[in-house]
Amino acid sequence: QVQLVQSGADVKKPGSSVKVSCKASGGTFSDFGISWVRQAPGQGLEWMGAIIPLSGTIQYAQQFQGRLTIIADESTTTAYMELSSLRPEDTAIYFCARDERAGTTGVRFDPWGQGTLVTVSS
Amino acid sequence: DIQMTQSPSSLSAFVGDRVTITCRASQSISSYVNWYQQKSGKGPKLLIYAASSLQRGVPSRFRGSGSGTDFTLTISSLQPEDFATYYCQQSFRTPFTFGQGTKVEIK
Repeated sequence: QVQLVQSGADVKKPGSSVKVSCKASGGTFSDFGISWVRQAPGQGLEWMGAIIPLSGTIQYAQQFQGRLTIIADESTTTAYMELSSLRPEDTAIYFCARDERAGTTGVRFDPWGQGTLVTVSS
Repeated sequence: DIQMTQSPSSLSAFVGDRVTITCRASQSISSYVNWYQQKSGKGPKLLIYAASSLQRGVPSRFRGSGSGTDFTLTISSLQPEDFATYYCQQSFRTPFTFGQGTKVEIK
C-alpha cells in the first residue's frame, strides 16, 4: 500500500523559493506519477502540476509556468516541488498525491500526503 | 480551463439522512470526474472515480452518477464520520480542476 510522507512546515520571505519533498513507500515508484495540489487557508484545492517518471512526462498548470519545478528521484523514491518568486498569496498547504492514469478512467489522485504548510511572510 | 461548479456550498443534515451533492462542468467531460472527502485540512481521500466507480475500501453508502456535464455524489445514509468537505474534480483535460467544495455539517 503506497504511503506518501512530506517534509515539514516552512516559512519563507517574499521573493524566495521553497522546496517540498514527498517520499513514497510501499509501491513501485516508477509505476506511478505524482501530482501536486495546494490549498490556501480556508480555500479549495488547486492542481499545480504532475510528473510521470515512466513516460518522462512533466506537466505544469499555466499559472505556475516559469515558477514551478517538479522532479522525481527514483533512487530515493522521492518527488520534489520547488516554487520560486514566492508571494504572500502562495501561503498554502501543499499536498502531493499519487497520480494514477488510465485511458478509460481518467486521472485520479490517491493516496495523498499529509500536507506541508508553507507560509510566505516578510 | 474547465470550471467545476458544486452545489450546495454547505448543508446541514442528520445522521441517517440521504445527502446529494451536485457538480456541473463548464463543458462536456464524459465520465472523467472524481469525488474526494477532506477532513480538517488533511489530505483528501478518494471516494469515487470515473463518475461512478467506488474506490476500494470506501463504504457502499457512497454512490456517484452522471456523465457529460452533470454529476452527483449521493450518501445514502449519513454517518457521523461522513461530516467533512467534499470536492469533485475533472480529469478530462489539464489543468485538472476541482469544484469549490461542499461542507457537510451536523444538524
